[in-house]
Amino acid sequence: NAGVTQTPKFRILKIGQSMTLQCAQDMNHNYMYWYRQDPGMGLKLIYYSVGAGITDKGEVPNGYNVSRSTTEDFPLRLELAAPSQTSVYFCASSYGLLGGLITDTQYFGPGTRLTVL
Amino acid sequence: GENVEQHPSTLSVQEGDSAVIKCTYSDSASNYFPWYKQELGKRPQLIIDIRSNVGEKKDQRIAVTLNKTAKHFSLHITETQPEDSAVYFCAANGGKLIFGQGTELSVKP
Repeated sequence: NAGVTQTPKFRILKIGQSMTLQCAQDMNHNYMYWYRQDPGMGLKLIYYSVGAGITDKGEVPNGYNVSRSTTEDFPLRLELAAPSQTSVYFCASSYGLLGGLITDTQYFGPGTRLTVL
Repeated sequence: GENVEQHPSTLSVQEGDSAVIKCTYSDSASNYFPWYKQELGKRPQLIIDIRSNVGEKKDQRIAVTLNKTAKHFSLHITETQPEDSAVYFCAANGGKLIFGQGTELSVKP
């Protein structure tokens, strides 16, 4: 299995441009997540999805959009890029919930390093 | 929502010493507490986790303890080695998995 894959690995955007970060997993996980990690900081949840067609906001959703049309794919869309969105973006997946709370191991992709100038 | 505080932010130890990283959480409903290790430029990877029905879990040189009453949990690394040098993150699942700010561990040979 490839696990969780992300493309591209690196990207430089100009202010106001848009782009889509791709994420795919081949582990048949129900749950998928997008995090951002600013330099020297922890992981902040942007959006997550509990299954195809279902998405929800995390801690820092402003400026981003997601969709989940299949179990395998969970793209993250940046509209009108701003310097504050310069960060490393990690996608992750897990099997799902137990008893209404997230309990399963999250597997992370290799990350996308985004710079907005 | 859940809030996770992690201390210390940096930790330097001599090879062979023990290292302890502590986290506190706010949501008493949280019942899953994983620890991730992130090497420079790499993705976070799970090293150990604990669920609320146990107070301690060990895996070779790594152990995690949980005190639900006090709402804190700790990572213990014994006999540290230079390859343990990395950033360590704790997390708690108050509805969504919330991460601590990270601890940069440096193990000096």
